[in-house]
Amino acid sequence: DQQVKQNSPSLSVQEGRISILNCDYTNSMFDYFLWYKKYPAEGPTFLISISSIKDKNEDGRFTVFLNKSAKHLSLHIVPSQPGDSAVYFCALSGGSNYKLTFGKGTLLTVNP
Amino acid sequence: GAGVSQSPSNKVTEKGKDVELRCDPISGHTALYWYRQSLGQGLEFLIYFQGNSAPDKSGLPSDRFSAERTGGSVSTLTIQRTQQEDSAVYLCASSQKRSGHQETQYFGPGTRLLVL
Repeated sequence: DQQVKQNSPSLSVQEGRISILNCDYTNSMFDYFLWYKKYPAEGPTFLISISSIKDKNEDGRFTVFLNKSAKHLSLHIVPSQPGDSAVYFCALSGGSNYKLTFGKGTLLTVNP
Repeated sequence: GAGVSQSPSNKVTEKGKDVELRCDPISGHTALYWYRQSLGQGLEFLIYFQGNSAPDKSGLPSDRFSAERTGGSVSTLTIQRTQQEDSAVYLCASSQKRSGHQETQYFGPGTRLLVL
């Protein structure tokens, strides 16, 4: 069973608009949440994280929102840029369980 | 400073052969992880090393898979008698593991393994 789901395999947005990437999870033990970005033929690059004691974390154009009651995580990118085009993975860990559990990823395409 | 490096970047092998994949973590990082990404899937945890503690091997898919970490730095993932379903991208990550803190894992570029 999939503990972490990214239900949109792909998303296409116009340059300058907002990109919203979503992630749902089932295990309430998760308490640390990360987003990674991956270009083809490269390893995932860390973007932003949030711990369960917060509901929002912002870093420049990137904001992560956490809704613990809904077990839902989202990444907002605004304004979106063509260089943001990549696969975005959410990754979760919990308590003393350091292993990251990943979603299957969402391919974001930002059109000029 | 240098990031996580992995070698080889690509490996093509025949079914039944053994392969070794290498990972050099970020200097000073005490925790090292191996993951793999099969086609169309998310990353799947394989094994975790932390300092001198016994590794967590709970993600290894079969006894054909093994890994070691020498001197608390470089790690080698070995796959014996490779099968076609072992074809995947094998990713290594490292982090500074501090007690009571969740630490960000930084990934290498991966080794693309193709078993013919």
